[in-house]
Amino acid sequence: KAGVTQTPRYLIKTRGQQVTLSCSPISGHRSVSWYQQTPGQGLQFLFEYFSETQRNKGNFPGRFSGRQFSNSRSEMNVSTLELGDSALYLCASSFRLAVYNEQFFGPGTRLTVL
Amino acid sequence: AQRVTQPEKLLSVFKGAPVELKCNYSYSGSPELFWYVQYSRQRLQLLLRHISRESIKGFTADLNKGETSFHLKKPFAQEEDSAMYYCALRGTQGGSEKLVFGKGTKLTVNP
Repeated sequence: KAGVTQTPRYLIKTRGQQVTLSCSPISGHRSVSWYQQTPGQGLQFLFEYFSETQRNKGNFPGRFSGRQFSNSRSEMNVSTLELGDSALYLCASSFRLAVYNEQFFGPGTRLTVL
Repeated sequence: AQRVTQPEKLLSVFKGAPVELKCNYSYSGSPELFWYVQYSRQRLQLLLRHISRESIKGFTADLNKGETSFHLKKPFAQEEDSAMYYCALRGTQGGSEKLVFGKGTKLTVNP
């Protein structure tokens, strides 16, 4: 079956703009998590969604938000972009919210803020 | 607090040599530990997890609760093992999927 897909794959924005990234999980997967990957900080958890509800949130400012739709697709939004938001944003999906559950990662969206 | 430490940013070995990638963690309960791998131009993928106790691509990892470690080992490295390796932890309370990653170790296997 098709893997996790993320769109767009690359994005260039300027400071102050906002951006929306999209993630389509593997068919049947209802849990979606987002991560930010940077050379300095590595992989950091942003938030996770299950059944359209945010279940957990990482330590990021309120400019970072997300949502999940009834078909399990998820979007994350970053408002008032800053240079430091330049990163690879990864989405991961899993079948359900449970321990011992494998997460599958998408290819990521590379965001560059100028 | 949940924390994962991978002390080596870079690790270089020759083909056929043993390799060990170190991972230490901090967690107040009993976590679930994983090793993820990212080959060049590929997505992050699960290599193995402590709960399964299996060997994948010749790699094994044993959870040592006393030393809070989950080191990844392979007796004979191959060139195709060159990649970024991330150790990750997931708490077992609350049902969260949240993974806490180490900073990663870039393994280079030289011919």
